Amino acid sequence: QLQLRESGPGLVKPSETLSLTCSVSGDSISSSTYYWGWIRQPPGRGLEWIGSIYYSGSTYYNPSLKSRVTISVDTSKNQFSLNLSSVTAADTAVYYCATIRGVIIGRLDNWGQGTLVTVSS
Amino acid sequence: EIVLTQSPGTLSLSPGERATLSCRASQSVSSSYLAWYQQKPGQAPRLLIYGASTRATGIPDRFSVSGSGTDFTLTISRLEPEDFAVYYCQQYGRSPPLTFGGGTRVEIK
Repeated sequence: QLQLRESGPGLVKPSETLSLTCSVSGDSISSSTYYWGWIRQPPGRGLEWIGSIYYSGSTYYNPSLKSRVTISVDTSKNQFSLNLSSVTAADTAVYYCATIRGVIIGRLDNWGQGTLVTVSS
Repeated sequence: EIVLTQSPGTLSLSPGERATLSCRASQSVSSSYLAWYQQKPGQAPRLLIYGASTRATGIPDRFSVSGSGTDFTLTISRLEPEDFAVYYCQQYGRSPPLTFGGGTRVEIK
């Protein structure tokens, strides 16, 4: 069964870069079945799609975050990663990784448990 | 960008009652590209229904969807105690970005 697990620092200072990794088990990240995505949820608020990546490295970002986001994939480690630069308190959120059944965007079949990242000095 | 508006914000109902949740899109969305998720406190969202009416694995048939164009409805025919949660609609049309509605909380009355 496919499982996703987010990892990374829980606290990031303002203006620095948030870096998270999603480890995939139970399937190969090189599977053509999925795109792989990041979604975030500020405390007590709704969901926001950050971006998607295919195993080939093709990426697609939410225009609202595009200038600050980089998503990459490491097929040898069966992982994909998120970097969000120049963070502010508004980037405080639970960050989820998920599988995307579709081309670039689609339904989100499987989710990681999420990791809370707080931006604070 | 397609904006999804969910209503009501909160629905207060008793177990056994019927829940009707609305999702309205700012422009037409194919029902094939609309999904619904359930989220319980401290948990990740879980895919409930996608496409016109396909329930995800393990989702009971008391959950159903209807609608087309810009107006969609998730119906829970008879609320069970485990159904009290927040529900989100999501669209994944032909081009990014993927967007979510703001959510409807179904709480115990």
